[in-house]
Amino acid sequence: GENVEQHPSTLSVQEGDSAVIKCTYSDSASNYFPWYKQELGKGPQLIIDIRSNVGEKKDQRIAVTLNKTAKHFSLHITETQPEDSAVYFCAASSPRGSTLGRLYFGRGTQLTVWP
Amino acid sequence: DSGVTQTPKHLITATGQRVTLRCSPRSGDLSVYWYQQSLDQGLQFLIQYYNGEERAKGNILERFSAQQFPDLHSELNLSSLELGDSALYFCASSAGDEGVRAKNIQYFGAGTRLSVL
Repeated sequence: GENVEQHPSTLSVQEGDSAVIKCTYSDSASNYFPWYKQELGKGPQLIIDIRSNVGEKKDQRIAVTLNKTAKHFSLHITETQPEDSAVYFCAASSPRGSTLGRLYFGRGTQLTVWP
Repeated sequence: DSGVTQTPKHLITATGQRVTLRCSPRSGDLSVYWYQQSLDQGLQFLIQYYNGEERAKGNILERFSAQQFPDLHSELNLSSLELGDSALYFCASSAGDEGVRAKNIQYFGAGTRLSVL
């Protein structure tokens, strides 16, 4: 099945700096790539997603880029704020047969933004 | 608030016992997914139901089972519990059947924290 690798596992940045989290996937058929933010004691919350027919997508301070050839995608957060501190997960979804719709998650990145 | 409701929030039980976790999907969502989150395994997909039928199975143990009822709520049953089953269990829901190009945006509940002592 699909294998999603996520780096780094921890990331510390100063408020106002940018943060970048990278993920790679193994299944070339994967076509949907969401990013989730998980705060302490809460469930993962979708923050942005991208489909394989798009190379980049932006939503205010958050952007995601996708390189299908290299099978990697990245989350970019600009002008970071302390409230961005959380665990971020990337995921991939393949349209193949029995795995249709399931999400394969990376191991997560603990982002800490220092004031 | 994602609109996905999970109960209970916390569950403490002993080894060998059986528990039931409940999930109510967002209004109108037909698909329900169960995930297990542990420190060593991350977020692992367990099982998916669509409109009452099982659609996909992940690394779900034989001691675990799930079902989706006609009102679309779902239950995850965990039996013969072991210490290693202690984890956060999340339910997520999405609008429809991915096979007909429906959006596979999954919304997660707040989870049930299971502690097996």
